[in-house]
Amino acid sequence: QLQLQESGPRLVKPSETLSLTCTVSGDSISSSSYFWVWLRQPPGKGLEWIGSIYYSGSAYYSPSLKSRVTMSVDTSKNQFSLKLSSVTAADTTVYYCARWRSSTSSYDYWGQGTLVTVSS
Amino acid sequence: EIVLTQSPGTLSLSPGERATLSCRASQSVRSSYLAWYQQKPGQAPRLLIYGASIRATGIPDRFSGSGSGTDFTLTISRLEPEDFAVYYCQHYRDTFGQGTKLEIK
Repeated sequence: QLQLQESGPRLVKPSETLSLTCTVSGDSISSSSYFWVWLRQPPGKGLEWIGSIYYSGSAYYSPSLKSRVTMSVDTSKNQFSLKLSSVTAADTTVYYCARWRSSTSSYDYWGQGTLVTVSS
Repeated sequence: EIVLTQSPGTLSLSPGERATLSCRASQSVRSSYLAWYQQKPGQAPRLLIYGASIRATGIPDRFSGSGSGTDFTLTISRLEPEDFAVYYCQHYRDTFGQGTKLEIK
């Protein structure tokens, strides 16, 4: 059974960089069938796509966040990561990692989500 | 940019009733790119339907999806207590509707 687990600091200071890692277990991240994705959801609100990365390292970012987002993948550790720079209180939200299956154009596995708070 | 608009925002029904949730796209989309998710408080979303009408693995047959072009529907034929949640539609990788909250009447 595939599992995804987010990890990283839960508290980040304004103007600093938020860093999260998603560890994938139960299957290899090096598959041509999937994209690995970060999404976020403010408490009580809807879902926002942050960006996607392929195992080769090709990444695609949300236009609204593109200037602040960097994603990377480490196939040796079966992990992918998110960095979001110059954070503000508006970036306080639950962050999810997920797997997007190309053949079904849907998110079939999700991490449990992690709440990251931006505060001094 | 495609925008998905879900209606109603909140739907109040009783167990055993039929629920009909709508998702309207701002322009015509491929049905193969349309999915539905269920989210309960404190949990990640769960995939229900992909390709507009194909149930994901393990999803009960009381859940069904339909539609094409700009109008898509998620139907729950007979509501069970565990079905009360928020439902999202999604297009391709990057677009989600704002959600419909299904609450107990």
